[in-house]
Amino acid sequence: KNEVEQSPQNLTAQEGEFITINCSYSVGISALHWLQQHPGGGIVSLFMLSSGKKKHGRLIATINIQEKHSSLHITASHPRDSAVYICAVIGLTGNQFYFGTGTSLTVIP
Amino acid sequence: AAGVIQSPRHLIKEKRETATLKCYPIPRHDTVYWYQQGPGQDPQFLISFYEKMQSDKGSIPDRFSAQQFSDYHSELNMSSLELGDSALYFCASSPGTVNSPLHFGNGTRLTVT
Repeated sequence: KNEVEQSPQNLTAQEGEFITINCSYSVGISALHWLQQHPGGGIVSLFMLSSGKKKHGRLIATINIQEKHSSLHITASHPRDSAVYICAVIGLTGNQFYFGTGTSLTVIP
Repeated sequence: AAGVIQSPRHLIKEKRETATLKCYPIPRHDTVYWYQQGPGQDPQFLISFYEKMQSDKGSIPDRFSAQQFSDYHSELNMSSLELGDSALYFCASSPGTVNSPLHFGNGTRLTVT
């Protein structure tokens, strides 16, 4: 069983749609990261959360520590948002990483 | 701004050979993480270092070893390479171990033939 589960695995949206990707985890964490991986393979860290909510441009990330759940929202989606989005958590010791299964997002013009 | 540098970008080796991957973290970052991502697979955490000491270990085979040097760069040594070791190997660095932003390198693509 994965320590981190994401849903959906695949998502196709029309340009302009509001998108939500969910992440649930079963381990104690010190922080959660939302990562974006482009088709070429490069990984970018979008957010690091330990509580509450963060916003950057059209991206919003929330975390509920009690429920062990985080969501990544994309408002007014755009084809350039097409990528794989990965939820990753850092264990309580601060060094062990657990990755979610990734969500492949395709935004159609 | 300087980013995490990984070298080489691409590496082709034959079975049973040895490979060394290098990671140069952002200046003043003392924590390095290594990940392996097989074709079409999720990233897997391999190992991490903090202040030149191994801090945690994930699913790293015994054939692999890694270390962090005095200048904080890290090397992943892979011996007796197998076809299944073909993957993208990422390195990430951060300025601390807890609640610190992560910065990823562009990865080294290893192909074992």
